[in-house]
Amino acid sequence: DTAVSQTPKYLVTQMGNDKSIKCEQNLGHDTMYWYKQDSKKFLKIMFSYNNKELIINETVPNRFSPKSPDKAHLNLHINSLELGDSAVYFCASSFPGLNSPLHFGNGTRLTVT
Amino acid sequence: QQQVKQSPQSLIVQKGGISIINCAYENTAFDYFPWYQQFPGKGPALLIAIRPDVSEKKEGRFTISFNKSAKQFSLHIMDSQPGDSATYFCAASMMPDDKIIFGKGTRLHILP
Repeated sequence: DTAVSQTPKYLVTQMGNDKSIKCEQNLGHDTMYWYKQDSKKFLKIMFSYNNKELIINETVPNRFSPKSPDKAHLNLHINSLELGDSAVYFCASSFPGLNSPLHFGNGTRLTVT
Repeated sequence: QQQVKQSPQSLIVQKGGISIINCAYENTAFDYFPWYQQFPGKGPALLIAIRPDVSEKKEGRFTISFNKSAKQFSLHIMDSQPGDSATYFCAASMMPDDKIIFGKGTRLHILP
């Protein structure tokens, strides 16, 4: 069983469209994250949720809206997609505090044309 | 203050050699320093981690060396193998929010 699973794996869409990426974890973790990895491999945190509550919200455009229906799921909805949104988006989860390691999904490669 | 600076950006090492990746930080409040390994098409995975009260940690062929006074830490991969070819990220975090700050990554290629 995959610990952190994301869908879809690939997403190709046109500018201006709205799209969603889904994430689920079966590790029993309380905290979930979204990271963005650009073409140079730089990993940047976007959001984190602890038990459905938003904890970290980095300077991300309002077009990005995370939603956590329960502590095992954290979805990312993106409105009005722009070329610069093209990247690989990683979902991750961990236990809160105690420097618990992050468990990443395998990423969603988003290409905006 | 919140940055973790990583070098080199890319590294080519002969099979059997030692791979060394260096990182530096400014914020002395960081209290946890993990290294993540990422293979193509996969998410990063924790490789090894260290706390600042320890100067070295070894797990198999992987060793972290930590210099608290210099605010630097490094990953050494002994007897490097082609299967070690991946992107390596150093990182740092601190309580209470546990936000992990990643370095920019090092693409390591081990020649067969």
